[in-house]
Amino acid sequence: DGGITQSPKYLFRKEGQNVTLSCEQNLNHDAMYWYRQDPGQGLRLIYYSQIVNDFQKGDIAEGYSVSREKKESFPLTVTSAQKNPTAFYLCASSMRTGPYGYTFGSGTRLTVV
Amino acid sequence: AQSVTQPDIHITVSEGASLELRCNYSYGATPYLFWYVQSPGQGLQLLLKYFSGDTLVQGIKGFEAEFKRSQSSFNLRKPSVHWSDAAEYFCAVATGEEKLTFGTGTRLTIIP
Repeated sequence: DGGITQSPKYLFRKEGQNVTLSCEQNLNHDAMYWYRQDPGQGLRLIYYSQIVNDFQKGDIAEGYSVSREKKESFPLTVTSAQKNPTAFYLCASSMRTGPYGYTFGSGTRLTVV
Repeated sequence: AQSVTQPDIHITVSEGASLELRCNYSYGATPYLFWYVQSPGQGLQLLLKYFSGDTLVQGIKGFEAEFKRSQSSFNLRKPSVHWSDAAEYFCAVATGEEKLTFGTGTRLTIIP
C-alpha cells in the first residue's frame, strides 16, 4: 500500500548535535512538507517542496534545513542552531495540483537530552 | 493571509451524545477546508474536505461538516460519538497553492 514512512519514531539528541529525520513516500506525490507540533500550538510549517531540487521556507525555518534530491524523499535536519528542538515532527505529501489535502506520516518525536 | 480558529481547546462528551466542533476561518476567496483527526502519538488522518458545491460534506467514521460562508465557519458534527472518537481534531484551510494552514486543535474526551 502507498503511504509515507517517517523514521525513527523516537529520537534522542544531545545538545549541540545535528540530527536528521527521514521521510519517504511512495504515493508519487509531487509536494512534501515538514510540520512541527507542540502542545496547544497546532501544526507549524517548517519547510515545503513542490518539486525535486526546490524547496521553500515555511513559518519557522530557522535552525532547520532540508533537501529534495529525489521525489520520494524529503529529509529534515534539525541543527544545533534550533533553540528548542524538542517536539513532534510530522511529514506530509500531496499532489501538486490540488488542493486535495495531505497524507501524513506517523511522526517522529525528538527529545533533546 | 488565511487563518483558522478553533475556539474550543478541550471538549468532553458522553458516549452516544451528539458532537459539534467549531471552526472559523479567515480567507478572502472561496476557501478549501479540511478536517483531520489525530490519535495520540500518530499522524493526522483526513476526515473530510470541502471544495465547492453542496455545503454539507460527508466524511469517514460517520462525521459530517457544514460550510457556512456567511459565518465563515466549517463546523464538524457527529450524531452519536463512540469511545474510539476520542482524539484531537484539526481544522485546516488551503489556498490555491495547496499549502494548508491548521488551527490549534480541539481535544475530544469521551466519558462512558
